[in-house]
Amino acid sequence: AQSVTQLGSHVSVSEGALVLLRCNYSSSVPPYLFWYVQYPNQGLQLLLKYTTGATLVKGINGFEAEFKKSETSFHLTKPSAHMSDAAEYFCAVSDDRDDKIIFGKGTRLHILP
Amino acid sequence: GAGVSQTPSNKVTEKGKYVELRCDPISGHTALYWYRQSLGQGPEFLIYFQGTGAADDSGLPNDRFFAVRPEGSVSTLKIQRTERGDSAVYLCASSLGPNTGELFFGEGSRLTVL
Repeated sequence: AQSVTQLGSHVSVSEGALVLLRCNYSSSVPPYLFWYVQYPNQGLQLLLKYTTGATLVKGINGFEAEFKKSETSFHLTKPSAHMSDAAEYFCAVSDDRDDKIIFGKGTRLHILP
Repeated sequence: GAGVSQTPSNKVTEKGKYVELRCDPISGHTALYWYRQSLGQGPEFLIYFQGTGAADDSGLPNDRFFAVRPEGSVSTLKIQRTERGDSAVYLCASSLGPNTGELFFGEGSRLTVL
């Protein structure tokens, strides 16, 4: 069965610092991987996705993630945090055999002034 | 509307009562998903529709939970004999089709069972 593990339920970074949110997945077949973001009082929205091809994917608001098969990881990064990045971030996995998307438990990102 | 609409946004009920939660997806989206999100957890998959049929209902926790999508658009999640453990935010999402990877979520229906 597919699953994702997000390390750290809460992460705090200073404004302007590097953001790194960790995600490891488990899948017996090539995965499709996603990051979703939930801003306060809003619904979840897609930040970026990896299906096939280039392993470094770029998303909205300056975020990017790299698929590393050898490490079964799909960590999310942003070079310089902004106060508006404060939100909850969810890593998710799917594959081409199964249409449902399985979410991790989420990481709440706090931005310190 | 432009986005996924869920009603009610908040529902408070008593243990043992019946509840219906409605989802109106984005027009033209054939795939519709229901998830449940408890405090401090990620969205938990419940059921997925492709058109009118339930393509995967493996996430429904027990037979008290049922969902329909009779005309391939609006969906209703039905919970019978509610229990306190059913309290959660119920999320609906739609997409253009299976495996596009981009789900468009509504803001959820918060269910509280007293």
